[in-house]
Amino acid sequence: AQKITQTQPGMFVQEKEAVTLDCTYDTSDPSYGLFWYKQPSSGEMIFLIYQGSYDQQNATEGRYSLNFQKARKSANLVISASQLGDSAMYFCAMREGQGSGGYNKLIFGAGTRLAVHP
Amino acid sequence: EPEVTQTPSHQVTQMGQEVILRCVPISNHLYFYWYRQILGQKVEFLVSFYNNEISEKSEIFDDQFSVERPDGSNFTLKIRSTKLEDSAMYFCASSEESTEVYGYTFGSGTRLTVV
Repeated sequence: AQKITQTQPGMFVQEKEAVTLDCTYDTSDPSYGLFWYKQPSSGEMIFLIYQGSYDQQNATEGRYSLNFQKARKSANLVISASQLGDSAMYFCAMREGQGSGGYNKLIFGAGTRLAVHP
Repeated sequence: EPEVTQTPSHQVTQMGQEVILRCVPISNHLYFYWYRQILGQKVEFLVSFYNNEISEKSEIFDDQFSVERPDGSNFTLKIRSTKLEDSAMYFCASSEESTEVYGYTFGSGTRLTVV
């Protein structure tokens, strides 16, 4: 079974509009972390935002927010006020295991390619 | 801002040759990883490394692969006898004990092409 599912292979949005990128996950571990990464065409992986399984509030980081619905096992990324520079591939990823487990690997979804139109 | 440095950025090698991909993780990080991304596909975990030993490896990481941290700063991935299907982008990553604030920091990747 897929651990991380991103059902939108491609999305587009008008500049200055908000966009939601979907991510659902599957784990039986009560302790886990959810991450979003941005991969521009240059190829590097840029960390955007983190949500822990025990966090009571949705994570926010500037124009990025994470709509965390634990019961539905979803962790959608919301980008507000889209900019042309937001055009990139976006990956949702999960770390299973205890919150400070730096040794635990990330499991990635297939990614969503976002295109921001002027 | 501290970064993970990977060299080379591109490597072309003949099938059957050995390659070594190099990484310099962030200096105070304790955990090190290699991932790969075949063109257009998802990012796949290869191996994690902590306290000078492998802590976990995937089924991709077979006997053709090895990792080491020879001098306390570099972290290398060696592929002994490359195959065509090893062509991919290889990412090194490192992390602190806690990944909540900064996540896992990835390098810019090495694009390996096996011909």
